[in-house]
Amino acid sequence: NAGVTQTPKFRVLKTGQSMTLLCAQDMNHEYMYWYRQDPGMGLRLIHYSVGEGTTAKGEVPDGYNVSRLKKQNFLLGLESAAPSQTSVYFCASSFLSTGLTTEAFFGQGTRLTVV
Amino acid sequence: RKEVEQDPGPFNVPEGATVAFNCTYSNSASQSFFWYRQDCRKEPKLLMSVYSSGNEDGRFTAQLNRASQYISLLIRDSKLSDSATYLCVVAFYAGGTSYGKLTFGQGTILTVHP
Repeated sequence: NAGVTQTPKFRVLKTGQSMTLLCAQDMNHEYMYWYRQDPGMGLRLIHYSVGEGTTAKGEVPDGYNVSRLKKQNFLLGLESAAPSQTSVYFCASSFLSTGLTTEAFFGQGTRLTVV
Repeated sequence: RKEVEQDPGPFNVPEGATVAFNCTYSNSASQSFFWYRQDCRKEPKLLMSVYSSGNEDGRFTAQLNRASQYISLLIRDSKLSDSATYLCVVAFYAGGTSYGKLTFGQGTILTVHP
């Protein structure tokens, strides 16, 4: 029972490098989200998707891009990493049931350090 | 004003104590409410959904007050294993787009000591 899987779990980047974080869910959920978590800041929404082929900006989208070509996958890209993007990244998914958003299921997180 | 605000904490209580957390939200159209627990920067995990009538799960009781736009979590008979960060989550149903934006509070740290 995989649920939500994130890869990689850890990564160290040099400033200016690019990378893609992959999120995969096997629960057939419509909604997928990318959050970042920094000390004292809580979880902040970067981008989200309400379905295959659709994405939208969240609270802190600058410096990130996303794609959802398949319903089960949600990719987060950093084109030119900056030290300010050092954080823990969480992917989550949820679905709509009788008009109400259900709970979100989270991946285990990706710890990214940009030096 | 932040969309979701929680008690700043931290809370440091002895085993067996009762502790309560409050959370306020700004969007009156919010429709789904949750409490999550997060351990040591691991992924958040659902503790309880919060229903209009209030709900209880063992030592945990959640209440929703729509008029005042706040939700609460009560933990009775605290255990050492309850030490964690508790996150308040509010979802707003956006209608046409059917998007339920999940907004998290900053979290409240609870430490239960012997």
